[in-house]
Amino acid sequence: GQNIDQPTEMTATEGAIVQINCTYQTSGFNGLFWYQQHAGEAPTFLSYNVLDGLEEKGRFSSFLSRSKGYSYLLLKELQMKDSASYLCAVMDSNYQLIWGAGTKLIIKP
Amino acid sequence: IAGITQAPTSQILAAGRRMTLRCTQDMRHNAMYWYRQDLGLGLRLIHYSNTAGTTGKGEVPDGYSVSRANTDDFPLTLASAVPSQTSVYFCASSDGGTGELFFGEGSRLTVL
Repeated sequence: GQNIDQPTEMTATEGAIVQINCTYQTSGFNGLFWYQQHAGEAPTFLSYNVLDGLEEKGRFSSFLSRSKGYSYLLLKELQMKDSASYLCAVMDSNYQLIWGAGTKLIIKP
Repeated sequence: IAGITQAPTSQILAAGRRMTLRCTQDMRHNAMYWYRQDLGLGLRLIHYSNTAGTTGKGEVPDGYSVSRANTDDFPLTLASAVPSQTSVYFCASSDGGTGELFFGEGSRLTVL
């Protein structure tokens, strides 16, 4: 079966750095996405990786290793507004998105 | 209208009743999707449409139907609601490029 694993919850301190991991087992691979979802709101797109390596976008970076079935989202200089759930999703061989359950990130002052 | 609009935002429904969740987009995206989101689970695809006039079944289609008469609208119908359909429903669209999805604000449905 297809599976996306990510931690259920993480806690970090304002101003610090946090890394949210995602491992996947899917039927084929056509890219990995990270979305941010604030409580009670819709998910919004953060990043897309299809090739191995690091993609940097401001305070957020996303890394992919296809051979290991592994990705991480790195958030730097954490702000209180970064408190949200972070969803990992993989596009499979049928171009359908398989979603992880999300990681709830709690930022403490 | 800007982006994707869903209606209603929230609804309480008696079991056995029929309900249609509306979804309209103004981005002229070809692909549209309906997901449900339940606590502790990832987003699960109910139905999708790659282009106007076509629809397909997702991971959890039972008890739901959709139609795609035009590019902009993609309603989701529960023919006879059951309590297990209590969930938050998200409509989304994609331009088919990178696969990035644009989501509506969600419809919170409670079936009693």
